[in-house]
Amino acid sequence: GEDVEQSLFLSVREGDSSVINCTYTDSSSTYLYWYKQEPGAGLQLLTYIFSNMDMKQDQRLTVLLNKKDKHLSLRIADTQTGDSAIYFCAESSNNAGNMLTFGGGTRLMVKP
Amino acid sequence: DAGVIQSPRHEVTEMGQEVTLRCKPISGHNSLFWYRQTMMRGLELLIYFNNNVPIDDSGMPEDRFSAKMPNASFSTLKIQPSEPRDSAVYFCASRTTGTLTNTIYFGEGSWLTVV
Repeated sequence: GEDVEQSLFLSVREGDSSVINCTYTDSSSTYLYWYKQEPGAGLQLLTYIFSNMDMKQDQRLTVLLNKKDKHLSLRIADTQTGDSAIYFCAESSNNAGNMLTFGGGTRLMVKP
Repeated sequence: DAGVIQSPRHEVTEMGQEVTLRCKPISGHNSLFWYRQTMMRGLELLIYFNNNVPIDDSGMPEDRFSAKMPNASFSTLKIQPSEPRDSAVYFCASRTTGTLTNTIYFGEGSWLTVV
């Protein structure tokens, strides 16, 4: 089956930039997503990018997609303590009936 | 606009008891998903429904687990009998099929502890 991989943990200092990386195997992915899960809460959609785009920016968030390398990243500028959460990468493709395949999540810890 | 609503938010039960988790999807959404999240296994898709019909239940761990969707606005996930290894967060999610982005929306989860 298709696979989505993420590193488990990232620690940054408040005010620095965070970069969370994700790799996937499905070459027919149509959309890729970033979800955020705060402690005790569900997964909340942060942003998504269409597979024919290289970059998408939304305020402090920048998503970069390298389709050739099947690599997706989420950059958070000026990281705040409120950004501490688990970030999940996910992809969907027509091959999989448009189902989402999730990575294992990256826990971001922001130190004051 | 109300999101996906799950109940109970927290449940502690004894091994062997029946557990019923409930979900109300976002109005107008026609696909519903049940996920389970644990530290060891991460986020797992248990079952999903399209138009109230179960499409793929291959993620349901055992016969002790069952899910129903009697109408477009309600679904249940039942565990009978429950075991300590069922302790997890169970998420319900929904979406509208046929949209361009395929985005799914999650509820806040039901935190189950079986002792």
